[in-house]
Amino acid sequence: SYVLTQPPSVSVAPGQTARITCGGNNIGIRTVHWYRQKPGQAPVLVLYDDTDRPSGIPERFSGSNSGNTATLAISRVEAGDEADFYCQVWDVSSDHVVFGGGTKLTVL
Amino acid sequence: EVQLVESGGGLVHPGGSLRLSCAASGFSVSIYSMNWVRQAPGKGLEWVAYIRREASEEYYVDAVTGRFTMSRDTAKNSVYLQMSSLRVEDTAVYYCARLNHFSGSRRLDYWGQGVLVTVSS
Repeated sequence: SYVLTQPPSVSVAPGQTARITCGGNNIGIRTVHWYRQKPGQAPVLVLYDDTDRPSGIPERFSGSNSGNTATLAISRVEAGDEADFYCQVWDVSSDHVVFGGGTKLTVL
Repeated sequence: EVQLVESGGGLVHPGGSLRLSCAASGFSVSIYSMNWVRQAPGKGLEWVAYIRREASEEYYVDAVTGRFTMSRDTAKNSVYLQMSSLRVEDTAVYYCARLNHFSGSRRLDYWGQGVLVTVSS
């Protein structure tokens, strides 16, 4: 099964840009999606197809995907952005969803 | 408005069984593939099961294969997860999620609020 690797934690000061990576073998040829999960809540899709935002997600959320790394970037970080973030791809070989291990974003 | 509402969770002894339900509204489960995803306490998301929109096949993570069965009732617009031979390590919040495949990629665009399953003696 395809493996996605995320850093366990990322810390950033308010107003700065947070970058959360998702590593996978040649992930650049796959389509990556990102979810945000706040404590006690269900995950919410915040970015899909590498770079697209669902309605209601602010423009501060952006993404890129190339080579072996996909990245979720959150600009002008606010205290309310603290959450766990998960990347996801579809594993064609096994025909199911695969998640990364998750990254806890802390706003200093 | 799309909504997914899970029910059926609770406390069960090891070796016991439980059936989770996920009632969908705002769309038809007959045209979307559906998934169950779980999250053990303090852990990350783990995909558990998937039923194709054609309902022709189901897929399971190895850890639950042979013990869990996912099914669908289009008349009730619901999906289910029948869990048997439950183990302590099955303790988790279980989420029902819709798979959006219409742009060519496959993402979980709507999630239920989750239901807690606790397996303990």
